Amino acid sequence: GAGVSQTPSNKVTEKGKYVELRCDPISGHTALYWYRQSLGQGPEFLIYFQGTGAADDSGLPNDRFFAVRPEGSVSTLKIQRTERGDSAVYLCASSLGTGFRETQYFGPGTRLLVL
Amino acid sequence: TQLLEQSPQFLSIQEGENLTVYCNSSSVFSSLQWYRQEPGEGPVLLVTVVTGGEVKKLKRLTFQFGDARKDSSLHITAAQPGDTGLYLCAGHQGAQKLVFGQGTRLTINP
Repeated sequence: GAGVSQTPSNKVTEKGKYVELRCDPISGHTALYWYRQSLGQGPEFLIYFQGTGAADDSGLPNDRFFAVRPEGSVSTLKIQRTERGDSAVYLCASSLGTGFRETQYFGPGTRLLVL
Repeated sequence: TQLLEQSPQFLSIQEGENLTVYCNSSSVFSSLQWYRQEPGEGPVLLVTVVTGGEVKKLKRLTFQFGDARKDSSLHITAAQPGDTGLYLCAGHQGAQKLVFGQGTRLTINP
């Protein structure tokens, strides 16, 4: 079956621009997560959705970052006024339910480069 | 400050050798997970350990959770070039949020 897909796979933008990153979770998965992975580091939690609502957005670094999941399926991570420090791989994951026994399935990520 | 510290960060060994990767924390975790990540892909779950002292085996890979549930190790026996990759440990903070270590980049030379 289809896994988690993310588009675009690569995005190059200029400092100050606005970008949107899309995540299509596995069909039927109610939980969706966004992580950011900088070069040489492990993924860092950004935000978690249960259905349409953001259940935990404590990892968003500042108010330039925002994410939505209006219909409880596809999610979009939005970054305003991008900075060079935002360059990283943005990973999306989904799981059937919640709890530590639920496996999170990761997409391949979007590589964002801010020039 | 990294909540989960992995060591070593880089490891390059010859095919057929054994190796151990460590994941340590000062915090107690309800569970720890190990992932493997290939270039250009997302992490893939290898195992979840839940009980202190638990040992799980996956073919040539042996995973152990410390008695105090603060640390874990991954041991690979007779490493093969196909084992090359980035190995990540992760613990749950609460039921949903995963906290990852910085990873161990493993290279197995033929």
